[in-house]
Amino acid sequence: QKEVEQDPGPLSVPEGAIVSLNCTYSNSAFQYFMWYRQYSRKGPELLMYTYSSGNKEDGRFTAQVDKSSKYISLFIRDSQPSDSATYLCAMNRSGGSYIPTFGRGTSLIVHP
Amino acid sequence: DAGVTQSPTHLIKTRGQQVTLRCSPKSGHDTVSWYQQALGQGPQFIFQYYEEEERQRGNFPDRFSGHQFPNYSSELNVNALLLGDSALYLCASSLSAGEYQETQYFGPGTRLLVL
Repeated sequence: QKEVEQDPGPLSVPEGAIVSLNCTYSNSAFQYFMWYRQYSRKGPELLMYTYSSGNKEDGRFTAQVDKSSKYISLFIRDSQPSDSATYLCAMNRSGGSYIPTFGRGTSLIVHP
Repeated sequence: DAGVTQSPTHLIKTRGQQVTLRCSPKSGHDTVSWYQQALGQGPQFIFQYYEEEERQRGNFPDRFSGHQFPNYSSELNVNALLLGDSALYLCASSLSAGEYQETQYFGPGTRLLVL
C-alpha cells in the first residue's frame, strides 16, 4: 500500500461545477498537507497549504483535512476551463526537513 | 522576482550516456531539492542540497549525484543512463532556518528522454 493514494482520473466536469478532489493516506505522522496544480509539461504550483486538521479557504479553493479518517480534500467552486490540470496532493511529517510525499495526481478536465 | 529556473528544457540521450541538469533557485532561497516525475506519477524525491552538502537522499541509486554551488544553484548528474530514467526532472527551492524549511517552489522541469 502506498503512503498516499490518489485517484488518477480523469475527472471531467462542465464549467461552473463544484469539483471535489481527494487523497487518502496511511501515515498518521503526516501533519502538513499541500495541494499543487500542474499544467501539462510544467512544474507543480503550490495552491493550498494547511497544518493539521480543519479547513482553509482561498478564493474559489477550499482545502479540508480530516486526520481521524486520514483523508484530505480540495474543493474548487465555479470551475473554469483554465482549472483543467493535474492536481497533486502532498504531505509531510512534522519536524525535520521538508520532503513531501506526493500522490500520483488527479487529472481534471473542465469543459465549456 | 525570478522564480526557479531549470536548463535545458528538453534533452534526448542514449542508454549508457551521462547527463547534467541545472537549476537556479528562487531569489532568497538556499535549499534545493531534486525530484523525478515519471509520466502519470507524482514527483519522487531524489535528494536535497543545503550549504553545498547533500542533506537528505531518497531511494535512488548512486548513478544519481548532485552538487550545490556557493550561489545556491545546483546540478543533477545521472550516469549510465537507462531507458527507465526517462522522466521530467524537477528542481524545487526553499528557505531553511535551522531544521525548519519553508514551502518548496518548483521549477518548470527538464524533460529527459533516453533512447
